[in-house]
Amino acid sequence: NAGVTQTPKFQVLKTGQSMTLQCAQDMNHEYMSWYRQDPGMGLRLIHYSVGAGITDQGEVPNGYNVSRSTTEDFPLRLLSAAPSQTSVYFCASSYPSRGGDSSYEQYFGPGTRLTVT
Amino acid sequence: RKEVEQDPGPFNVPEGATVAFNCTYSNSASQSFFWYRQDCRKEPKLLMSVYSSGNEDGRFTAQLNRASQYISLLIRDSKLSDSATYLCVVNGDTGFQKLVFGTGTRLLVSP
Repeated sequence: NAGVTQTPKFQVLKTGQSMTLQCAQDMNHEYMSWYRQDPGMGLRLIHYSVGAGITDQGEVPNGYNVSRSTTEDFPLRLLSAAPSQTSVYFCASSYPSRGGDSSYEQYFGPGTRLTVT
Repeated sequence: RKEVEQDPGPFNVPEGATVAFNCTYSNSASQSFFWYRQDCRKEPKLLMSVYSSGNEDGRFTAQLNRASQYISLLIRDSKLSDSATYLCVVNGDTGFQKLVFGTGTRLLVSP
């Protein structure tokens, strides 16, 4: 099992450019999420998916699009990059949580470090 | 007020010391609680879930106090390899695992 993989590891964009961050998992997890991590802010949820064909917005969705055509893949698209999107982006996946004391672990990919100039 | 608050540290302790971190959360409807560990420039990894009855995993003990809305992590006999940032994570009340992350507490264990 490769777990959760993300590409690219590093990316530099100019303001206004678009790009897609790739995320794939081989654990047959239903749930997948995208987070961004900024200094002093903690990880914040951008978008998430509870299964193929189903996506929803998280806490900071503006400027990002997602789609989930397969269980394995969950790409994140930056429509028109802005310096405020400079961050580290993590993709995560998990089985559905049963809530309470029985929630399943989220597995994170290694991250993509994005700089927008 | 942040949903999940942690002391950022750093906590500097010698090897073998016992160290404790606390974390408070604001949403009383929160259902699930976790401690994740994040090494420098790496992804977060689950350290342990925090159960209502408290739980222990080797040198690590986690406690939950729902009445006061805080969770704690105790590390006994600290090792150099425990140096990392510890993230307090709470599952919101909206079904799907909309995890809310604290900003983390940095631990530095020295020889």
